[in-house]
Amino acid sequence: AQSVTQPDIHITVSEGASLELRCNYSYGATPYLFWYVQSPGQGLQLLLKYFSGDTLVQGIKGFEAEFKRSQSSFNLRKPSVHWSDAAEYFCAVGPTSNDYKLSFGAGTTVTVRA
Amino acid sequence: DTGVSQDPRHKITKRGQNVTFRCDPISEHNRLYWYRQTLGQGPEFLTYFQNEAQLEKSRLLSDRFSAERPKGSFSTLEIQRTEQGDSAMYLCASSPLDSGRGDTQYFGPGTRLTVL
Repeated sequence: AQSVTQPDIHITVSEGASLELRCNYSYGATPYLFWYVQSPGQGLQLLLKYFSGDTLVQGIKGFEAEFKRSQSSFNLRKPSVHWSDAAEYFCAVGPTSNDYKLSFGAGTTVTVRA
Repeated sequence: DTGVSQDPRHKITKRGQNVTFRCDPISEHNRLYWYRQTLGQGPEFLTYFQNEAQLEKSRLLSDRFSAERPKGSFSTLEIQRTEQGDSAMYLCASSPLDSGRGDTQYFGPGTRLTVL
């Protein structure tokens, strides 16, 4: 079964600094990987996704992620963080050939300090 | 494209009462999903519809939970005899039926349930 681990529960970063959120997945075949962002009390917004091809994926709001098969990782990055990036970020894997659900990590909360 | 909508946004109920939530997917999206998210956790899959057919149910979906999508458009999720452990955010998502498992799921704002 597929699973996702987000090792960092909470990250604090200064505005203008770079940000990297870690995501490790477990899946037997080529995974479909996603990063979603959730603001307090809101639903999830898709930042970017990886299906195949170029392992460096560009998303919205200046985010990018790199798929590394050898490390089973799909880390999210942003070169310069804005205060509005404070939110919770979820990495997800799936669907598989047998079902259509997404499996999410526990999330990383990002706090941005002035 | 008006996005996925959910109603109500917040629901407070007493233990033992029944509650029903509604989800309206993006028009022409054939697939509809329900997830549950508790504090500090990522969403967990509950159930999935393709058109009006419920194709998959999680073990999380106890006998007290039932979901329907009668005409292949909106969906309802009902919880009978609510328990305090049902307190969570219930998220609905939809995706188009096109190339297969790579479909992106678009999420609604969620319904926050509090069981007193």
